[in-house]
Amino acid sequence: GENVEQHPSTLSVQEGDSAVIKCTYSDSASNYFPWYKQELGKGPQLIIDIRSNVGEKKDQRIAVTLNKTAKHFSLHITETQPEDSAVYFCAASKGNNDMRFGAGTRLTVKP
Amino acid sequence: GAGVSQSPRYKVAKRGQDVALRCDPISGHVSLFWYQQALGQGPEFLTYFQNEAQLDKSGLPSDRFFAERPEGSVSTLKIQRTQQEDSAVYLCASSLGARANTGELFFGEGSRLTVL
Repeated sequence: GENVEQHPSTLSVQEGDSAVIKCTYSDSASNYFPWYKQELGKGPQLIIDIRSNVGEKKDQRIAVTLNKTAKHFSLHITETQPEDSAVYFCAASKGNNDMRFGAGTRLTVKP
Repeated sequence: GAGVSQSPRYKVAKRGQDVALRCDPISGHVSLFWYQQALGQGPEFLTYFQNEAQLDKSGLPSDRFFAERPEGSVSTLKIQRTQQEDSAVYLCASSLGARANTGELFFGEGSRLTVL
């Protein structure tokens, strides 16, 4: 089955700096790659997603890139703010019922 | 309500007790998923419903776990004879589409189960 690896597990940046989180997946049939943000005591919330027919997608300060050949995708957050501090999860799905999540990255943005 | 609602938010059970966790998905959402999230880990898939049909239960860790969605809306996850390793946050998510890759999964805030 699909296996999603995510790194780093923790990331600390200064406010205004950029943050990059990387994920790899094992199943080449996966075609949908969402990123979720989870704040303490809350459920994960979708922040951006990308499909396999697209190499890059951007939404304001957040961007995601996908390399299908290498089977990896990355989340880029620019101009980080303290409210970006949370746990971020990548995930991969191939169109069945199963969406596999990475283990998460705890991002801390220091003011 | 506007979002996915889960209850109870917190549940403490003695080892061996049965528990039932409830999920109210967003009205009209076809798909409903249950995930188990251990401390410091990502959500792990448990089971999936398309309306009232349980199409995938491959992630349920043992036959002590049972889920139902009898009328295609509210779902209940039941854990019988709870064990300490069942301690986790149980997340419910719903989606408008019929498959996991057709759109956003909307998650509830989870039910944190602690088994003593």
